[in-house]
Amino acid sequence: EVQLVDSGGGVVQPGGSLRLSCVASGFTFDDYTLYWVRQVPGKGLQWVSRISWDGYSTDYADSVKGRFTVSRDNTKNSLFLQMNNLRIEDTALYYCSKDMSPNSSGWSDSWGQGTLVTVSS
Amino acid sequence: DIQMTQSPSSVSASVGDRVTITCRASQGISNWLAWYQQKPGKAPKLLIYAASSLQSGVPSRFSGGGSGTDFTLTISNVQPEDSATYYCQQANSTPRFGGGTTVEIK
Repeated sequence: EVQLVDSGGGVVQPGGSLRLSCVASGFTFDDYTLYWVRQVPGKGLQWVSRISWDGYSTDYADSVKGRFTVSRDNTKNSLFLQMNNLRIEDTALYYCSKDMSPNSSGWSDSWGQGTLVTVSS
Repeated sequence: DIQMTQSPSSVSASVGDRVTITCRASQGISNWLAWYQQKPGKAPKLLIYAASSLQSGVPSRFSGGGSGTDFTLTISNVQPEDSATYYCQQANSTPRFGGGTTVEIK
């Protein structure tokens, strides 16, 4: 069974940093592109970032470019999101997800449970 | 950036009704579209990918259609457990989600 477990969320002041983690199991981790998607409570989904199977290709939403960095450790089946210079508008539930295809379809067939990031003074 | 516009933003239906949700892309995306269902407090669930392909394990009352810029998600014979918010997502370029459609069952 595929499992993704998100962690690392918390309360941080504006300008601060957090590092989110996602540990995966139940599939061949280094075959798949992985994603971060966030959701402000009560609002819609916003795609944040993606990283290729080998970690060499990354992509970001304009709203986080230059502040967030996605990475992965295929030896530990882990995905990370380093978030720097956090803003109040980054407050959201952050989900990691897995591409449905080793050929990188762009769609996610498995998701973590989410980890809540609150940016507040 | 390709923008995704969903309509309606909410819909109310009775058990057994047919519900259709529309998603429009700001430019052509061929069939690079997926639909997700999200229930309160849960992560999204993939229903449809490549515009019309049903994800494994998803009931056949869900169907998707369209290509280019206009897409639909149809729920035939809607059931109480279909009460949820539905999102489209394009994967032709930098992924983007539509704003969501909330389906309420009367």
